[in-house]
Amino acid sequence: GAVVSQHPSRVICKSGTSVKIECRSLDFQATTMFWYRQFPKQSLMLMATSNEGSKATYEQGVEKDKFLINHASLTLSTLTVTSAHPEDSSFYICSARRSGRAWDEQFFGPGTRLTVL
Amino acid sequence: AQSVTQLDSQVPVFEEAPVELRCNYSSSVSVYLFWYVQYPNQGLQLLLKYLSGSTLVKGINGFEAEFNKSQTSFHLRKPSVHISDTAEYFCAVSDRGSTLGRLYFGRGTQLTVWP
Repeated sequence: GAVVSQHPSRVICKSGTSVKIECRSLDFQATTMFWYRQFPKQSLMLMATSNEGSKATYEQGVEKDKFLINHASLTLSTLTVTSAHPEDSSFYICSARRSGRAWDEQFFGPGTRLTVL
Repeated sequence: AQSVTQLDSQVPVFEEAPVELRCNYSSSVSVYLFWYVQYPNQGLQLLLKYLSGSTLVKGINGFEAEFNKSQTSFHLRKPSVHISDTAEYFCAVSDRGSTLGRLYFGRGTQLTVWP
């Protein structure tokens, strides 16, 4: 099967610091990767879509300068939460898709729990 | 814009009983439809998807869903559930006309199967 990992699984940081979350496709090359945010008892909210080697496409209302996304290779995307604040505390989930076809399956990582103190 | 409504946040059922998890969507464009399952401490897994053709879609683990265009629904069903089906289930849509294939999710339905 297609496996997507995220690191770290949990992170606690102080307000004002930056945190980097990695998303890796372990056994396939991902043309497209997605980043989601999930609040307790709520749906996954798409934050941004990234294609390898190009700039990410952010959803409306998501601050580009706060949530930096880098899709440096076909197996790695990173999300950096800059100058994190308590309101950024959430569950961040990435997914990866092999092809550029819209209907192809997205494979999801297990998520990263971010707590900002 | 698309939106997805999962009418039940929690569905408790006994083992071997049938179950239906409801999903309605709203969209100004044609969509693809998906159901994902999330087991504790695991990433979401695709259960099934509707792209075109037959409105009855069969997925993994004995689940099926029926696309109803007039009612804009995509309800998930299983005739006999097992305790191992206990999980969070998410309905999602994707714009057919978009090359990005972004998924828009409902809030999820927690299915709990009791012995």
